[in-house]
Amino acid sequence: AQSVTQPDIHITVSEGASLELRCNYSYGATPYLFWYVQSPGQGLQLLLKYFSGDTLVQGIKGFEAEFKRSQSSFNLRKPSVHWSDAAEYFCAVGAGSGGGADGLTFGKGTHLIIQP
Amino acid sequence: GAGVSQSPSNKVTEKGKDVELRCDPISGHTALYWYRQSLGQGLEFLIYFQGNSAPDKSGLPSDRFSAERTGGSVSTLTIQRTQQEDSAVYLCASSLVGTGNGNTIYFGEGSWLTVV
Repeated sequence: AQSVTQPDIHITVSEGASLELRCNYSYGATPYLFWYVQSPGQGLQLLLKYFSGDTLVQGIKGFEAEFKRSQSSFNLRKPSVHWSDAAEYFCAVGAGSGGGADGLTFGKGTHLIIQP
Repeated sequence: GAGVSQSPSNKVTEKGKDVELRCDPISGHTALYWYRQSLGQGLEFLIYFQGNSAPDKSGLPSDRFSAERTGGSVSTLTIQRTQQEDSAVYLCASSLVGTGNGNTIYFGEGSWLTVV
């Protein structure tokens, strides 16, 4: 079964600084990888996704993520964060093999705090 | 509709009562998912519907939980004899097909359930 680990529960970054959120996955084949963001009281919004091809994917709001098969990682990055980026970030892997695995397995999330 | 719609957005119920949560997926989406998000936790898969196939109920935590999907569209998640540990945000999501075909899952804003 697939799994996702987000090792950082909380991260604090100064506004304007760069950001990297870590995500490691466990899956036996080529995974489908996603990053979602959840603002307080809101549902999940897709930031970006990786299915195949270029391992560096661009998303909305200036985010990007790089798929590294050798490290089983899909870290999310942003060169300069804004106060509005404060939220919960979830990494997810999709197996696509049917049944419940045809949905997504989520990490426990990383809470991003932006310091002024 | 334009997005996944869930109702009620907030529900407070007494322990032991039954509750029903409704999800209206994006028009034309054949796959529908229910997830549960408890405080400080990631998203827990509950149940998955795909077209007219039998649903995957492997994530339902107990027999007090059930879900149905009428006419391949609207879904209702029912929790019988609610317990305090059922307090969580219940998120519904839909996609054209499962993520195995590279389609994005879109989430509703969730139903916040509080059992007192």
